[in-house]
Amino acid sequence: QQQVRQSPQSLTVWEGETAILNCSYEDSTFDYFPWYRLFPGESPALLIAIRPVSNKKEDGRFTIFFNKREKKLSLHITDSQPGDSATYFCAADNYAQGLTFGLGTRVSVFP
Amino acid sequence: NAGVIQTPRHKVTGKGQEATLWCEPISGHSAVFWYRQTIVQGLEFLTYFRNQAPIDDSGMPKERFSAQMPNQSHSTLKIQSTQPQDSAVYLCASSLARVGNTLYFGEGSRLIVV
Repeated sequence: QQQVRQSPQSLTVWEGETAILNCSYEDSTFDYFPWYRLFPGESPALLIAIRPVSNKKEDGRFTIFFNKREKKLSLHITDSQPGDSATYFCAADNYAQGLTFGLGTRVSVFP
Repeated sequence: NAGVIQTPRHKVTGKGQEATLWCEPISGHSAVFWYRQTIVQGLEFLTYFRNQAPIDDSGMPKERFSAQMPNQSHSTLKIQSTQPQDSAVYLCASSLARVGNTLYFGEGSRLIVV
């Protein structure tokens, strides 16, 4: 059973639009939620992360919105650029299990 | 800091043969993870060591996969009797063993079973 679920599986947006990536989790003991980005041919790398004490985390064009009650979070990429085209993985962390990743959302940004 | 080092980068093996993949975590990192990356399954957790001790191997296919961490500077993932469905990129990652620490991935070992 997938503990971290992501949707959509793939997403296409035009340059300048906002891409919205969704994530939900099952285990309420998860207490840290990073997003990792994977460019083709490279290794995943940390993009942005949030802890449940916050409901929003912003870093430039990337914003995480977090709803602890519903166990949902989303990553918004505003003013999307072709260079943002990548696979984005939502992950959830607790000390016992370490990081658990979702299956990823493949984002394509067309100029 | 050289980052997480994985060898080999590419390996082609015949069906039924054994494949061993090596990982050298970042010095000082006590948490080491193995993941398998495929288009269908995305980033699939395999196993996790903390301070060299196996913590969680719930993602490991039980019969043919095994992982060890004999010392703090390297871990191995061994696949016996490889099958075509084992073809994937195997990623090793390390971090400080505290929640909220960044996971650093190696460049991966691409295994192709023919």
